[in-house]
Amino acid sequence: KNEVEQSPQNLTAQEGEFITINCSYSVGISALHWLQQHPGGGIVSLFMLSSGKKKHGRLIATINIQEKHSSLHITASHPRDSAVYICAVQRGSQGNLIFGKGTKLSVKP
Amino acid sequence: SAVISQKPSRDICQRGTSLTIQCQVDSQVTMMFWYRQQPGQSLTLIATANQGSEATYESGFVIDKFPISRPNLTFSTLTVSNMSPEDSSIYLCSVVPRLHSYEQYFGPGTRLTVT
Repeated sequence: KNEVEQSPQNLTAQEGEFITINCSYSVGISALHWLQQHPGGGIVSLFMLSSGKKKHGRLIATINIQEKHSSLHITASHPRDSAVYICAVQRGSQGNLIFGKGTKLSVKP
Repeated sequence: SAVISQKPSRDICQRGTSLTIQCQVDSQVTMMFWYRQQPGQSLTLIATANQGSEATYESGFVIDKFPISRPNLTFSTLTVSNMSPEDSSIYLCSVVPRLHSYEQYFGPGTRLTVT
């Protein structure tokens, strides 16, 4: 079993829909990252969480440390949100990340 | 924050050859990592690039196949040696700018195809 599991693997939505992507992990962590990967391969960091909730524009990320679960929400989705969203956990302050397999999101106009 | 560039952005190489990928950061950083993302798979850590000493490799990755250099705090290279089609992947450099920081930044990636 992977240490970081994401669901769904693929998600198609209509423009304007509210989107939720889930991430569960099985190890102790110091931080959880949500990343966005575009077709060219480059990765952008969206959020880094160690507790609670963060919001940036239309994106909201939450984490429940006790349940070892995090969610990424996108409100009023737009075709430009189409990308792969990756959850990654960090162990220790300088450690490398352990990645989920990603959720491929496609938002149709 | 840290701005990271990688060269080349993509390449198509022949089996048996080697390719060196460069990672340049616009500021000094404490940690640099190299990751591989094979098609349809999650990113996997290859090694931690240590400044002035040998890289620390993860299980399944060896120095002869993936030699890494880090001559200073802003630059690192990863070489993929004696390539085979199984090495076709995206290779990413990431950095942790400061001690005791959870922030990580990623390069744009190098898309390698081996024929």
